[in-house]
Amino acid sequence: KNEVEQSPQNLTAQEGEFITINCSYSVGISALHWLQQHPGGGIVSLFMLSSGKKKHGRLIATINIQEKHSSLHITASHPRDSAVYICGVRSGQFYFGTGTSLTVIP
Amino acid sequence: NAGVTQTPKFRVLKTGQSMTLLCAQDMNHEYMYWYRQDPGMGLRLIHYSVGEGTTAKGEVPDGYNVSRLKKQNFLLGLESAAPSQTSVYFCASNRGGQGIGYTFGSGTRLTVV
Repeated sequence: KNEVEQSPQNLTAQEGEFITINCSYSVGISALHWLQQHPGGGIVSLFMLSSGKKKHGRLIATINIQEKHSSLHITASHPRDSAVYICGVRSGQFYFGTGTSLTVIP
Repeated sequence: NAGVTQTPKFRVLKTGQSMTLLCAQDMNHEYMYWYRQDPGMGLRLIHYSVGEGTTAKGEVPDGYNVSRLKKQNFLLGLESAAPSQTSVYFCASNRGGQGIGYTFGSGTRLTVV
């Protein structure tokens, strides 16, 4: 399955660093989701967007519909941001990437 | 607390046994979904529902059945469990429409031996 590709697969950062996670998709979409999955397994919906940019606290999500690409940025990263970040798209069906595992080191 | 509740949280089944996973939400959401999550595969949609009394197939529906008799509940059934159904199952819900994010349950870890 390759409707949604994320990069990098794994990312280690020092506390305070600016982080970018990328998501590319190959299908026409009506919406794109960013999810956060903590080590305990729980999943939280961070953003759902269909154009432009959204910001929530230190998290920023952008989408470029023409290029079929989205980015999730984390400013001033913190160890509590350590999680798996999952990108998903709605295109009739729902497709999700395999996630980017982020570790933020103090 | 308002949200999505899944039961049970863990279950071990023998091949051929049946079971039902229950998902309950108290947010009056129209849309409900069942996903499975496997290593290296990401979340895959099994079945979903856009309202009480409706169900539809997702990406990997084979071996599963669902029912949405009440708006707040979405049941996922395995009639004859197989080892390939060993997975973590997540239920999610949302109000539907554009710009609306999901609320996820905490997951059910199912092992079929």
